[in-house]
Amino acid sequence: GESVGLHLPTLSVQEGDNSIINCAYSNSASDYFIWYKQESGKGPQFIIDIRSNMDKRQGQRVTVLLNKTVKHLSLQIAATQPGDSAVYFCAENIGNQGGKLIFGQGTELSVKP
Amino acid sequence: EAGVTQFPSHSVIEKGQTVTLRCDPISGHDNLYWYRRVMGKEIKFLLHFVKESKQDESGMPNNRFLAERTGGTYSTLKVQPAELEDSGVYFCASSQAGVSSYNSPLHFGNGTRLTVT
Repeated sequence: GESVGLHLPTLSVQEGDNSIINCAYSNSASDYFIWYKQESGKGPQFIIDIRSNMDKRQGQRVTVLLNKTVKHLSLQIAATQPGDSAVYFCAENIGNQGGKLIFGQGTELSVKP
Repeated sequence: EAGVTQFPSHSVIEKGQTVTLRCDPISGHDNLYWYRRVMGKEIKFLLHFVKESKQDESGMPNNRFLAERTGGTYSTLKVQPAELEDSGVYFCASSQAGVSSYNSPLHFGNGTRLTVT
């Protein structure tokens, strides 16, 4: 079946440290992956995306790594700041299923000052 | 540009009543999606419009849910009659191109929190 799961439901880091949020997926037909950040009372906000023909993509302070061999996705946040505290969702899109995104349950990131 | 707006932000209704949620996508976005998050679980896809046409409604839970997008602009999601298990946060999202196109990510609204008592 389809699943997008997260290894850790909560993650607590010290301000300034790097954060790594992990995600596992089971559908080998998934070809596009996205990370979203959701703050309390708001909708998910796009962070970064990656296609299955890549294994790494970098943004501003964020890096997404994709390991298709083990069906694993991770989000790395450099120099984590208090404003990074939120719930992070990974999502996958299966190429032949149009606009449907499959979301994981989310990881809550808490940044300690 | 204005983002995706949803109305109302909160709705509390009794079981058996009807509720209509509205979504205004970003201007010019042909693709409009409804998702919901129930009981703190994962966000689940409900359906996808391309302009006024339903492209995929495979996530609609049952026939108590009706989504429309007349004229290809704003969309409404009606729940009639509402049941307790319909409680959750309903998100709308829009995109200019298909979901797997780079530089065309889904932009989400802040959601409507629906509570059925």
